[in-house]
Amino acid sequence: KQEVTQIPAALSVPEGENLVLNCSFTDSAIYNLQWFRQDPGKGLTSLLLIQSSQREQTSGRLNASLDKSSGRSTLYIAASQPGDSATYLCAGSTSYGKLTFGQGTILTVHP
Amino acid sequence: DAGVTQSPTHLIKTRGQQVTLRCSPKSGHDTVSWYQQALGQGPQFIFQYYEEEERQRGNFPDRFSGHQFPNYSSELNVNALLLGDSALYLCASSLGAGPVGYGYTFGSGTRLTVV
Repeated sequence: KQEVTQIPAALSVPEGENLVLNCSFTDSAIYNLQWFRQDPGKGLTSLLLIQSSQREQTSGRLNASLDKSSGRSTLYIAASQPGDSATYLCAGSTSYGKLTFGQGTILTVHP
Repeated sequence: DAGVTQSPTHLIKTRGQQVTLRCSPKSGHDTVSWYQQALGQGPQFIFQYYEEEERQRGNFPDRFSGHQFPNYSSELNVNALLLGDSALYLCASSLGAGPVGYGYTFGSGTRLTVV
């Protein structure tokens, strides 16, 4: 059974800092790894998708890496901004398309 | 290009009642998955519908059932509501029932409160 853990549970940083969010999974047979952003009370916005054959993906100030052998993924946010404040969720996909989510990291970026 | 549309956005029901939530997938998508997200938790997979059939199911009781229509839209039904069913219900769409190389598109969710 796939289990996904995210560390830290919450993070508070001043504007401009570079930061790393961690995600670990127990089953290395994931098909892909997806990072989402969720604003309070809202749905999920997809940020980055890393397929199992890839090592990393980049979009603007975001970079996500995937290491299947160690069961880890990281989301790197460069030059953080107050608008980045949200909950960040990672999810691993099985070969059948089911997503298993971590509990999320609540990020607060102070002006 | 419309994304995933869910209705209603908010709903209040009494214990023991039944509820139906609706989802229209993103244009071009044919698969709908439903997730339950309790407050402060990550979403939990309920089930997936493809070709009008339930293809996969998570660890949810039979009180949770669904349907997919020929136009790919879907409904989630919950019978005999419990207080613990209070959550944000998310619908995700994709193309094909297998692994999705480009990821899933989620709707904004339906907030269900059971009193």
